[in-house]
Amino acid sequence: EAQVTQNPRYLITVTGKKLTVTCSQNMNHEYMSWYRQDPGLGLRQIYYSMNVEVTDKGDVPEGYKVSRKEKRNFPLILESPSPNQTSLYFCASSFPGDTQYFGPGTRLTVL
Amino acid sequence: KQEVTQIPAALSVPEGENLVLNCSFTDSAIYNLQWFRQDPGKGLTSLLLIQSSQREQTSGRLNASLDKSSGRSTLYIAASQPGDSATYLCAAPNDYKLSFGAGTTVTVRA
Repeated sequence: EAQVTQNPRYLITVTGKKLTVTCSQNMNHEYMSWYRQDPGLGLRQIYYSMNVEVTDKGDVPEGYKVSRKEKRNFPLILESPSPNQTSLYFCASSFPGDTQYFGPGTRLTVL
Repeated sequence: KQEVTQIPAALSVPEGENLVLNCSFTDSAIYNLQWFRQDPGKGLTSLLLIQSSQREQTSGRLNASLDKSSGRSTLYIAASQPGDSATYLCAAPNDYKLSFGAGTTVTVRA
């Protein structure tokens, strides 16, 4: 089944404790992206990747890191999480210019 | 920067009525526009993708139109059903970035 998976689905952590949210797709998509969704602010793009070893900033990259060492995986790293990073995070993938497929989301709470 | 606006923010209609959802974008140099559906607490499901060379795209009861020159797209849902209740989002690209509207939350009353 074609899908985008994210782990964990739910995470509660404390300020400053490094964490990684994994994202994996099985559709051989070149393009992958991370978004955060906040009430009243909608979906905002954090980082995206056009292919292996090619990443670039979206609209809200501060406080986040990404890497793309393999085509299927695109982890999101929060090296020192803060409460303002409490949000619902989505990973997505696609062929360039084609339909984006979204993962189920990761709900992160930073205390 | 691509700015995407969706009007109205919320819509409530009786079952059977046709729905019209509007999306406007500021940068008309887009190569496509996408419409998504999001159920509460869930991920986004792609409904329709319209390429810049197309004027409209249809899937079942859904029809989306695209007018690049005016910076507008419209999603039509025919003969609405309670199962159509969800938030509908449109997304327009700017180079390799993607900007989303805030969405229109639809309630279809039985």
